[in-house]
Amino acid sequence: TQLLEQSPQFLSIQEGENLTVYCNSSSVFSSLQWYRQEPGEGPVLLVTVVTGGEVKKLKRLTFQFGDARKDSSLHITAAQPGDTGLYLCAGPLWVAGGTSYGKLTFGQGTILTVHP
Amino acid sequence: NAGVTQTPKFQVLKTGQSMTLQCAQDMNHNSMYWYRQDPGMGLRLIYYSASEGTTDKGEVPNGYNVSRLNKREFSLRLESAAPSQTSVYFCASSYGDHTDTQYFGPGTRLTVL
Repeated sequence: TQLLEQSPQFLSIQEGENLTVYCNSSSVFSSLQWYRQEPGEGPVLLVTVVTGGEVKKLKRLTFQFGDARKDSSLHITAAQPGDTGLYLCAGPLWVAGGTSYGKLTFGQGTILTVHP
Repeated sequence: NAGVTQTPKFQVLKTGQSMTLQCAQDMNHNSMYWYRQDPGMGLRLIYYSASEGTTDKGEVPNGYNVSRLNKREFSLRLESAAPSQTSVYFCASSYGDHTDTQYFGPGTRLTVL
């Protein structure tokens, strides 16, 4: 069972279309991060959202953190072929009796393909 | 700055063989991590090191050992490789706590036959 569930798992769209990727959990997270990974490379951080209800914009990408801090979404406007990649959400994993220091749990990822 | 480097990039092992994956960072980061990535599973934390001289288990530590050799280097050892350890392994580092950016290496693709 994934602590963070991403949907959809696969997304294939045409250049210029809009899309939304969702990251949901039954647990509360103090923050959520979104990463993008290209084939053969490691993930690269896009954004961190910390406050419930927060909205962050990065050019054509809009990130939202749910009010209850259990979910997040990534919306891409006018997708381009360069947006193709694996998108991962991640949040700190709390261990009973310990701390969450530097430990992240990841969603299973959304593979986005944008066709020219 | 090279960032986070990993060696080797590819490795094929036979069941029962041992090997060490090397990771180094040149960003003066305090925390370092080892993840494995499997299709449909995202990344799962194997071990992490919050500071030089300390290590702790993550979600999937069985079958692995780690060494934080110094502030720069964090190695992952498979003592007796099993086919279930076939995966892509990523090393990452961050300066501070869980909200800090984690910087990932390019990964090691390991196949255990």
